[in-house]
Amino acid sequence: DTAVSQTPKYLVTQMGNDKSIKCEQNLGHDTMYWYKQDSKKFLKIMFSYNNKELIINETVPNRFSPKSPDKAHLNLHINSLELGDSAVYFCASSRSPSTDTQYFGPGTRLTVL
Amino acid sequence: GQNIDQPTEMTATEGAIVQINCTYQTSGFNGLFWYQQHAGEAPTFLSYNVLDGLEEKGRFSSFLSRSKGYSYLLLKELQMKDSASYLCAVLDSNYQLIWGAGTKLIIKP
Repeated sequence: DTAVSQTPKYLVTQMGNDKSIKCEQNLGHDTMYWYKQDSKKFLKIMFSYNNKELIINETVPNRFSPKSPDKAHLNLHINSLELGDSAVYFCASSRSPSTDTQYFGPGTRLTVL
Repeated sequence: GQNIDQPTEMTATEGAIVQINCTYQTSGFNGLFWYQQHAGEAPTFLSYNVLDGLEEKGRFSSFLSRSKGYSYLLLKELQMKDSASYLCAVLDSNYQLIWGAGTKLIIKP
C-alpha cells in the first residue's frame, strides 16, 4: 500500500489553464504539506495543514489554493497557470507539525507551456 | 534570514567513505534532518539529530554540533546505489522545516 500518493504524476498544460493535484495519505497522520521543488532543487514549503486547518501559508501567489476535505487528503488547485509554475510538486505528511519525520509522495511534475 | 549551506556536488569512489557537511543559521533549532533523494524520486528520511553527537545507523551516521550550527552525514562502504542528492533540513523555532539545496553525490566505480 502506498503511504502518500499523488495524482497525476505528470501534468502538461498551457499557460492560463486551471489545474488540480490531489494528495492522499493512509498513514493516519494529522499534518500534511505541499512543497515546490524547482530546477535548482530547492524544496520550498508552500502550505501545511494540521487536522484540516491551515498552519503554514508561505508567500505563495493566491493563484494557489489548497483544500483539505479531511485529514487524509490535501489537494492543490492552481489558477491561471504561468510558465514559472513549472516544477515538481511534492505532497508530504507527518504525525504532527513538530518534530516528526515527513513522508513524501512521489511528486507531480508540472510543465506549463 | 535563515540559511542552510551544503556543497553542491561531491564525487567519491565505490567502497570509500564520504562526509557531506551542512551548516545552518536559523531562528531557533528543534532538530536537524537528513533526507536522501534519488533523481526523479521523492525525498526519503535518513536521520534526525536534536542532541549533540553522533548517531549511527548501519552504513550511515549523522553528527550534530548545535553550538557550531554544523552537521555532517557520513556514508561508509559506498555503493553505486548511494548516488543521489542528500538534503539537510533544520526545524526552526516555529517547527517549520528549512531545507538546504542538497548535495549531489556521484559514486564512481
